[in-house]
Amino acid sequence: DQQVKQNSPSLSVQEGRISILNCDYTNSMFDYFLWYKKYPAEGPTFLISISSIKDKNEDGRFTVFLNKSAKHLSLHIVPSQPGDSAVYFCAASGGFQKLVFGTGTRLLVSP
Amino acid sequence: DSGVTQTPKHLITATGQRVTLRCSPRSGDLSVYWYQQSLDQGLQFLIQYYNGEERAKGNILERFSAQQFPDLHSELNLSSLELGDSALYFCASSVGPSVSGTTGELFFGEGSRLTVL
Repeated sequence: DQQVKQNSPSLSVQEGRISILNCDYTNSMFDYFLWYKKYPAEGPTFLISISSIKDKNEDGRFTVFLNKSAKHLSLHIVPSQPGDSAVYFCAASGGFQKLVFGTGTRLLVSP
Repeated sequence: DSGVTQTPKHLITATGQRVTLRCSPRSGDLSVYWYQQSLDQGLQFLIQYYNGEERAKGNILERFSAQQFPDLHSELNLSSLELGDSALYFCASSVGPSVSGTTGELFFGEGSRLTVL
């Protein structure tokens, strides 16, 4: 039962363009959503989060959008940089005291 | 550096054996979480401890067990190992008992890569 889904295993974007990573969830009890970034041979690191009472949260080049009615969130990276190349995990929590992760999207930003 | 320390970084063992993975959380964090990442899979939640007590349980096999000690470090014990247990095992820590609001971030260690031959 995959409660958090990232349907795109990979995404390729040119440097300077926008990267849009998508995530869908099924559990309506989720009320807090996070994005983590993971480089090879490192643990995931927190990137940005959003509470269900908001529909947008921005932090520098990173913006997360939440559409509760569609149970969908997205991460926008503008402008994309080669250093953003990593695996991005969407995660959600609520109802239960744990964080549920998606399977990740590998982003490749080419110069 | 997240402040979360996991040992060992790599471990190779045989089927049927038992291993122990160790995690030291960030200073001041009371919660420890264990996650398993198999090939091409997301991070699967195994178990959470908060201040020494089991807080939440996920898809943890009966062959696996964990505990959190008074000094807050945690150990994940994997026994009767099978080939399918080969994975990256991550430990994460957070300040509070739940994932929400300003205490919602989990800080992850670099993981312990277990290979079962």
